[in-house]
Amino acid sequence: SYVLTQPPSVSVAPGKTARITCGGNNIGTKSVHWYQQKPGQAPVLVIYYDNDRPSGIPERFSGSNSGNTATLTISRVEAGDEADFYCQVWDSSSDHYVFGTGTKVTVL
Amino acid sequence: QVQLQESGPGLVKPSQTLSLTCTVSGGSISSHNYYWHWIRQPAGKGLEWIGHIYTTGSTNYNPSLKSRVTISVDTSKNLFSLILTSVTAADTAIYYCATNSNPNWFDPWGPGTLVTVSS
Repeated sequence: SYVLTQPPSVSVAPGKTARITCGGNNIGTKSVHWYQQKPGQAPVLVIYYDNDRPSGIPERFSGSNSGNTATLTISRVEAGDEADFYCQVWDSSSDHYVFGTGTKVTVL
Repeated sequence: QVQLQESGPGLVKPSQTLSLTCTVSGGSISSHNYYWHWIRQPAGKGLEWIGHIYTTGSTNYNPSLKSRVTISVDTSKNLFSLILTSVTAADTAIYYCATNSNPNWFDPWGPGTLVTVSS
């Protein structure tokens, strides 16, 4: 089955840029979606189709996807961005869904 | 926009059957081409897709759970359900329902419900 690997944690100072990677075999050929999950809450979609933002998501959130790595970038990080982040893909051939291992973003 | 709410027993005994429902509001479960999903998350761990049912009634399940999972729809009550048989402590998790009209991603999600498997 398809595996998506994320770093367990990323730490960033307020106002700086956080980059969260999502590694998978030829992930650049797939569409990647990202979710933010704050403690005690359900995940919220923040990026879809590699780099599109749902309404209400700040422009500070952006994404990219190429080769074997997709990346979620959070610019001008704020304390309120502290959360767990998950990447996700849909395998169209099997109609199955896969989540990444998750990354905890800590704002210093 | 569609809103989802999970409900069901918070405690299930080992070897028994877990049964949850997801009530849909803000739209008819059968009026659009939507996928209706179940996803779970053990405490302190990551997300696991369990399976989905499409508006047509077709289903697809995570191979790791396929032998124990059934997802169904009750259009008269505007809800869909999850049944997981022969549960063990490893099935203890927060269970979320979610939906999408585009098969790629999940949006929106329900708030989730905690199910504990314990005697």
